[in-house]
Amino acid sequence: GEDVEQSLFLSVREGDSSVINCTYTDSSSTYLYWYKQEPGAGLQLLTYIFSNMDMKQDQRLTVLLNKKDKHLSLRIADTQTGDSAIYFCAERSKGGGNKLTFGTGTQLKVEL
Amino acid sequence: DAGVIQSPRHEVTEMGQEVTLRCKPISGHDYLFWYRQTMMRGLELLIYFNNNVPIDDSGMPEDRFSAKMPNASFSTLKIQPSEPRDSAVYFCASSARETQYFGPGTRLLVL
Repeated sequence: GEDVEQSLFLSVREGDSSVINCTYTDSSSTYLYWYKQEPGAGLQLLTYIFSNMDMKQDQRLTVLLNKKDKHLSLRIADTQTGDSAIYFCAERSKGGGNKLTFGTGTQLKVEL
Repeated sequence: DAGVIQSPRHEVTEMGQEVTLRCKPISGHDYLFWYRQTMMRGLELLIYFNNNVPIDDSGMPEDRFSAKMPNASFSTLKIQPSEPRDSAVYFCASSARETQYFGPGTRLLVL
């Protein structure tokens, strides 16, 4: 079955760039997503990329997709304390309806 | 749009009681998902519907759990009887096309 893996924890200094990585196993993935979850809240869709793209930029966020290596990354430029949260990677398989497979989440801690 | 609406936001109940969680999806969305999140197991998909019809309920943990979607604007997740190990945050999400949006969740504590 599909599997999505992420490292559990990342710590950065305010103002630095953060890079959160994700690997997935399903070669038929059509879309890949990044969600953000703040404490006590639901998952907020940050951005997503279609599988035939290799990069997408949205303000401070840059998504890079290496389909050959099945590797997805999220770069946050000029990281702020408000970016502290858990970030989930997810993939949608071809033929899987709209069902998503989520990673375990990466806890991002931004230090002053 | 108000987004996905869930109620109640918090629920505390005693073991053996029936619990009903409610969800109103975003208008026009034809998919609805129920998830459960715990520290130990992370985010788990319980069941999802397409056009009010259950498509995949393989994630429902046991017969104590049931879900219904009587119309396009309402769904329920029921646990009967509830057990302490059901304590978790339950999320509802809805989607149309490629994006899925989550509600704020219901925090359930079963004593």
